[in-house]
Amino acid sequence: EAQVTQNPRYLITVTGKKLTVTCSQNMNHEYMSWYRQDPGLGLRQIYYSMNVEVTDKGDVPEGYKVSRKEKRNFPLILESPSPNQTSLYFCASRGLQGEGEQYFGPGTRLTVT
Amino acid sequence: AQSVTQPDIHITVSEGASLELRCNYSYGATPYLFWYVQSPGQGLQLLLKYFSGDTLVQGIKGFEAEFKRSQSSFNLRKPSVHWSDAAEYFCAVDMSGGYQKVTFGTGTKLQVIP
Repeated sequence: EAQVTQNPRYLITVTGKKLTVTCSQNMNHEYMSWYRQDPGLGLRQIYYSMNVEVTDKGDVPEGYKVSRKEKRNFPLILESPSPNQTSLYFCASRGLQGEGEQYFGPGTRLTVT
Repeated sequence: AQSVTQPDIHITVSEGASLELRCNYSYGATPYLFWYVQSPGQGLQLLLKYFSGDTLVQGIKGFEAEFKRSQSSFNLRKPSVHWSDAAEYFCAVDMSGGYQKVTFGTGTKLQVIP
């Protein structure tokens, strides 16, 4: 089954404790993205990647890091989380073929206290 | 700056009534355009998309959208709403020519009353 998986689905952590949210896709897609969703703000793109070792900032990259060492994986790293990073995070992927449709993961709800 | 506007935060319609959700974007060229739906506690599902060609596009669940270049709009419509359509709807725009730089609107929450 074609899918984007994220782990963990739920995470409660404390300020300053480094964490990683993993994202993996099994569709051999070139493009991957991370979004955060906050009430009243919709989804905002954090980082995106066009292929292995190629990443670029989205609209809200501050406080986040990403890496793309393998095509299927695109982890999101919070080196020193802060309460304003409490949010719902979505990973998405899409291939070069087709017309831009993104496939979204189920989301990770992060709470930073 | 490039932007996407969904002017209606919340819309309430009666079951069986028609629906139109508005989306406007600010961008010089024609972007790739999308509508997504998100049910409570769920992820996002693509309803429809526009890249080129016929400006009236059909999607899933009986939805359609019309691209109007002169108005920089991509409004979503449905002729008869069902209670199961209650959800939040997001317009999204790729202004990077498909290179994945995507901007979402802030969403419109749809309530359906019997």
